[in-house]
Amino acid sequence: DVKVTQSSRYLVKRTGEKVFLECVQDMDHENMFWYRQDPGLGLRLIYFSYDVKMKEKGDIPEGYSVSREKKERFSLILESASTNQTSMYLCASSLGTGEGQPQHFGDGTRLSIL
Amino acid sequence: EDQVTQSPEALRLQEGESSSLNCSYTVSGLRGLFWYRQDPGKGPEFLFTLYSAGEEKEKERLKATLTKKESFLHITAPKPEDSATYLCAVQGGSEKLVFGKGMKLTVNP
Repeated sequence: DVKVTQSSRYLVKRTGEKVFLECVQDMDHENMFWYRQDPGLGLRLIYFSYDVKMKEKGDIPEGYSVSREKKERFSLILESASTNQTSMYLCASSLGTGEGQPQHFGDGTRLSIL
Repeated sequence: EDQVTQSPEALRLQEGESSSLNCSYTVSGLRGLFWYRQDPGKGPEFLFTLYSAGEEKEKERLKATLTKKESFLHITAPKPEDSATYLCAVQGGSEKLVFGKGMKLTVNP
């Protein structure tokens, strides 16, 4: 079974802090993704990565950056946290290109910015 | 632009009362349609992939079907443990998935 592990289930930070969310997958997947999920808005893609050191902006990249130094690890960085970044953050991975590949999700990090 | 619409937004059933969830989609070059289940406070759990119209997949009380414009998730004789939010997503020409907003299912004993 695919396992996607997010480093924290709950996190509380202060406005202006630099925040790191970590995600690790154990199935040698090429693609990794970061989403945020808010009530009524569904899942929104922040950034994704096709390969090590590669990254692409998703639908809502403003205020975020990412890092993928190793294939199994994808980090989301909030450069200067703001209260409107309080949300559930979900990491996912998928195998690669070709016929439609499902994404497999971690259990999420519920982030509160005070 | 690829789009996914799920209906209804919420559904309440009695245990044993079968029903269907609808996922309407528009996509350029469907590479896959995916169904997920999400429990409160957890990440989405992958259920099915459908690749072409006419295809069907089954798992326990769930059966997913696909046409050129819609997918249905049929729930037969549901139990309270089937209560969850069900998400539909499509993949077109890129590696990104486009998700619907989900359908919250509650099954009362």
